[in-house]
Amino acid sequence: EIVLTQSPATLSLSPGERATLSCRASQSVSSNLAWYQQKPGQAPRLLIYDASNRATGIPARFSGSGSGTDFTLTISSLEPEDFAVYYCQQRSNWLYTFGQGTKLEIK
Amino acid sequence: EVQLVESGGGLVQPGRSLRLSCTASGFTFGDYAMSWVRQAPGKGLEWVCFIRSKAYGGTTEYAASVKGSFTISRDDSKSIAYLQMNSLKTEDTAVYYCTRDYCRGGNCHHAYWGQGTLVTVSS
Repeated sequence: EIVLTQSPATLSLSPGERATLSCRASQSVSSNLAWYQQKPGQAPRLLIYDASNRATGIPARFSGSGSGTDFTLTISSLEPEDFAVYYCQQRSNWLYTFGQGTKLEIK
Repeated sequence: EVQLVESGGGLVQPGRSLRLSCTASGFTFGDYAMSWVRQAPGKGLEWVCFIRSKAYGGTTEYAASVKGSFTISRDDSKSIAYLQMNSLKTEDTAVYYCTRDYCRGGNCHHAYWGQGTLVTVSS
């Protein structure tokens, strides 16, 4: 089973700042990586798929990069509504796994 | 508009069974693979199981933690996906989300999510 490790566990930033979230896979997943945002009491929402493609309706300040084992989600300038938990996810051999999440909190 | 509505959650005793339903609308249900993903209270996301569309055989995959206990199925005529959960354990307590998946060239992700239904396993 491929393990996804996200870092940092918690990221404290202010609105307007740039956020960089990391996801590392225990073995190569090629570009088969997605990112989700979850706010308290809500279902997760797809942000990025295939490592770098924004989902429908996702603002341009969100971008994804990477391939193989190292991936990054970047939020170029934080808006108040961006403070949430972010998860990465991969699928390999028809088994999906998620990272443990990064909590993005207001500093 | 894609909508997924889960139902069937509730309080159940350990060792008992429960069946969840996911009613879909706003798209041609039979054309898509579906998954169930769960989230224990205060914890992260855990993929549970997956069912392919009939065009790809309607076959299923399961996480090791539920294999042999949970069964995913679908009724394309009703646009409903089911999760039959047997021999429930306290560690199965979670919010269960239904997702519509998108797969292309071997890459898959959970494109749309329902709001979830809470399953509590307790005596």
